[in-house]
Amino acid sequence: DIQMTQSPSSLSASVGDRVTITCRATHSISSDLNWYQQKPGKAPRLLIYAASSLQSGVPPRFSGSGSGTDFTLTISSLQPEDFATYYCQQSYTSPYTFGQGTKLDI
Amino acid sequence: QVQLQESGPGLVKPSETLSLTCSVSGGSVSSGYYYWSWIRQPPGKGLEWIGYVYYSGSTNYNPSLKSRVTLLVDTSKNQFSLKLNSVTAADTAVYYCASQHVMAYFFDYWGQGTLVTVSS
Repeated sequence: DIQMTQSPSSLSASVGDRVTITCRATHSISSDLNWYQQKPGKAPRLLIYAASSLQSGVPPRFSGSGSGTDFTLTISSLQPEDFATYYCQQSYTSPYTFGQGTKLDI
Repeated sequence: QVQLQESGPGLVKPSETLSLTCSVSGGSVSSGYYYWSWIRQPPGKGLEWIGYVYYSGSTNYNPSLKSRVTLLVDTSKNQFSLKLNSVTAADTAVYYCASQHVMAYFFDYWGQGTLVTVSS
């Protein structure tokens, strides 16, 4: 299986901050990397697919980059509704695996 | 807009079979654009993909659960289902159904999730 490792596991930030979360794969996954946001008690929400494509309806302050084994999710200016847990997921090969999550709080 | 809704027992006894159904609205399980997936999340932990079923009935399972999982699709009811047998406390989790894009394998529509507790 391809293992996905996110860093940091938790992050404290303030409204207006620029935040970057990193995801690393144990094998090259080309650009087959997706990012999700999950709020407590809710299902995950797709933010970014194919490493850098913004899902419809997602604010442009979210962006993704990377290819191969190293990827980043950047939030350009944190808003109050962005405090949540973020997961990366590789869609290169089955089984489709997720990172352990990055909890973003104030 | 595709909507998904999980249903099934919230409590299952150890060694028994967990059974959940996902009802799809706003779209068709027969569309061919999606695989229909199950994902679980133990309390306070991360996400684990369980497997998917296609409208044709073909399946793909996570090897970690393959020996205990069966996924089925019912196109007449616009539903798909999960059966996980021989459950233990380690199977306690929120179970989500989701649509998985056929070409890019991301999960774009999710159910709200249902907590299944394995306990006697």
